[in-house]
Amino acid sequence: DTGVSQNPRHKITKRGQNVTFRCDPISEHNRLYWYRQTLGQGPEFLTYFQNEAQLEKSRLLSDRFSAERPKGSFSTLEIQRTEQGDSAMYLCASSPASVPGELFFGEGSRLTVL
Amino acid sequence: QKEVEQDPGPLSVPEGAIVSLNCTYSNSAFQYFMWYRQYSRKGPELLMYTYSSGNKEDGRFTAQVDKSSKYISLFIRDSQPSDSATYLCATWRDKIIFGKGTRLHILP
Repeated sequence: DTGVSQNPRHKITKRGQNVTFRCDPISEHNRLYWYRQTLGQGPEFLTYFQNEAQLEKSRLLSDRFSAERPKGSFSTLEIQRTEQGDSAMYLCASSPASVPGELFFGEGSRLTVL
Repeated sequence: QKEVEQDPGPLSVPEGAIVSLNCTYSNSAFQYFMWYRQYSRKGPELLMYTYSSGNKEDGRFTAQVDKSSKYISLFIRDSQPSDSATYLCATWRDKIIFGKGTRLHILP
């Protein structure tokens, strides 16, 4: 399977703990996006990378959130000191930069903060 | 005002009916418009893609953009139970901006 891969698929954690999600994009795609989706809502943009450069971060991405994409390949999204409001599906997508709006999404990582 | 507005539904229609899904957007500078389909517990997948105004047809699906009224539509002909999903309209500005999504149920 050469699609976008996300791990873990589901994470349950206690409030105050740190969590990290990993995304492996489609190999030839140089853009990588993180979105967050809560029940009954559309995905909300968090941040995106072109190769290893983080080009934009949403106001939603508080200082407890950090994303990296070392070497322009896989990406990690870390949430420090988790809060119950962080419970959501975290979606990763990759895109060839040449086609605006054509994103290929992974199946998401669901976070439950108790 | 949100940049993309979409009625969340749910919308239930009988199998074989024509489905009409609609969105409005706020920024007249938007040029690219998409419809994504999302099945339960899955990531969204691109269904239709339109540049500027006009219609685009792909099988049973037709996407329509009216820039004068800032209105985006998706029509599904001969709807099937497998079309039951959440449909997300979206536009593009260095990133995708999604509507809330409309939950669609096709009743056998």
